[in-house]
Amino acid sequence: AQKITQTQPGMFVQEKEAVTLDCTYDTSDPSYGLFWYKQPSSGEMIFLIYQGSYDQQNATEGRYSLNFQKARKSANLVISASQLGDSAMYFCAMRIGQGAQKLVFGQGTRLTINP
Amino acid sequence: DTAVSQTPKYLVTQMGNDKSIKCEQNLGHDTMYWYKQDSKKFLKIMFSYNNKELIINETVPNRFSPKSPDKAHLNLHINSLELGDSAVYFCASSRAGGRGSEAFFGQGTRLTVV
Repeated sequence: AQKITQTQPGMFVQEKEAVTLDCTYDTSDPSYGLFWYKQPSSGEMIFLIYQGSYDQQNATEGRYSLNFQKARKSANLVISASQLGDSAMYFCAMRIGQGAQKLVFGQGTRLTINP
Repeated sequence: DTAVSQTPKYLVTQMGNDKSIKCEQNLGHDTMYWYKQDSKKFLKIMFSYNNKELIINETVPNRFSPKSPDKAHLNLHINSLELGDSAVYFCASSRAGGRGSEAFFGQGTRLTVV
């Protein structure tokens, strides 16, 4: 069965510091995609970054990068130079195979950026 | 233009009532979903439709009935509402797997059953 685990219920970071949000996954399928979403207090789900299982390089999108360690089955999100507006819930998610069937989400990590 | 729009944003209703949530996407995606987010923020898929065809039903009670009149619309009808149905319901859409297959979410419908 596919499973996503986020072991950090909450994280507190000083503004301008870098932060790493942990995500591990479990699947026996060789083809999968990993996603990170941000959910601010307003409630919408915002897509941040994608990593494919066959991608050779770690994904980057602006201040977001994904530290993909395939052998360890981890896909940690790194946010550089954190800002107050980064305070939100962050979800790691996985899609199996090439079909657009479903995203399986982790439990989420609540990130708080302190001024 | 809103990519995925769902209405209403808030829904307060009494136990036993029947209610519907509507969802529309203008992204041209073939696949649409309904997710439920509980009070602990956990997101769980309920249904997935591909080109109007149901492909995933994650052991959701029969009181929940999705309907997809065309691939741009996926509505959710809930019969005989119960207190435990209180949650935020998200509609989403995506194209097939691979890069660019991220799901786009609607703004959510906060359902409160009293």
